Amino acid sequence: QKEVEQDPGPLGVPEGAIVSLNCTYSNSAFQYFMWYRQYSRKGPELLMYTYSSGNKEDGRFTAQVDKSSKYISLFIRDSQPSDSATYLCAFYTGTASKLTFGTGTRLQVTL
Amino acid sequence: NAGVTQTPKFQVLKTGQSMTLQCAQDMNHNSMYWYRQDPGMGLRLIYYSASEGTTDKGEVPNGYNVSRLNKREFSLRLESAAPSQTSVYFCASSETINSPLHFGNGTRLTVT
Repeated sequence: QKEVEQDPGPLGVPEGAIVSLNCTYSNSAFQYFMWYRQYSRKGPELLMYTYSSGNKEDGRFTAQVDKSSKYISLFIRDSQPSDSATYLCAFYTGTASKLTFGTGTRLQVTL
Repeated sequence: NAGVTQTPKFQVLKTGQSMTLQCAQDMNHNSMYWYRQDPGMGLRLIYYSASEGTTDKGEVPNGYNVSRLNKREFSLRLESAAPSQTSVYFCASSETINSPLHFGNGTRLTVT
């Protein structure tokens, strides 16, 4: 079993839709949870960073963490064509120095 | 405010050739990292430097060496390139180990 599972997509949605992106993980030592956005031919950029279970909101983006189910989500409200990118979940244990990434979900928002 | 700068952006090598990928950050971060990204495999850590003067292996260090030249710069060297090293290489930095990473825009390397 992979340590992190993430549907590669592509996920196609119309402009204005609510998008839900998800990752499941198996390592119960993961304590820090991140979402990165990666545009084509660019490096990943940090979108959201959270430590605890529950929700964290930043503008149109909401990160949700459910440690008991080992499941994290990223919601994008009022999606825009500029949101078209690959979204990567990432995890730290807090003791190891290694950030574990999902393989990414490709999102396409169409007009 | 450049962030993390990688050079070159593109490179084509023949099998057996050597090259060094350069990375510099201007955020005064302590930790620096080298990742490779391959389709279907995600980002994999090659080497990292928790602080100036230290380096450690990641998941896939074979065939690579690194140098933390100073606090700003962290280079990745391929001594004898192989086709399996065809990939996109990303340098990243963070304030400390376990802080969020800030990435450069990558070097696209093809080994023929």
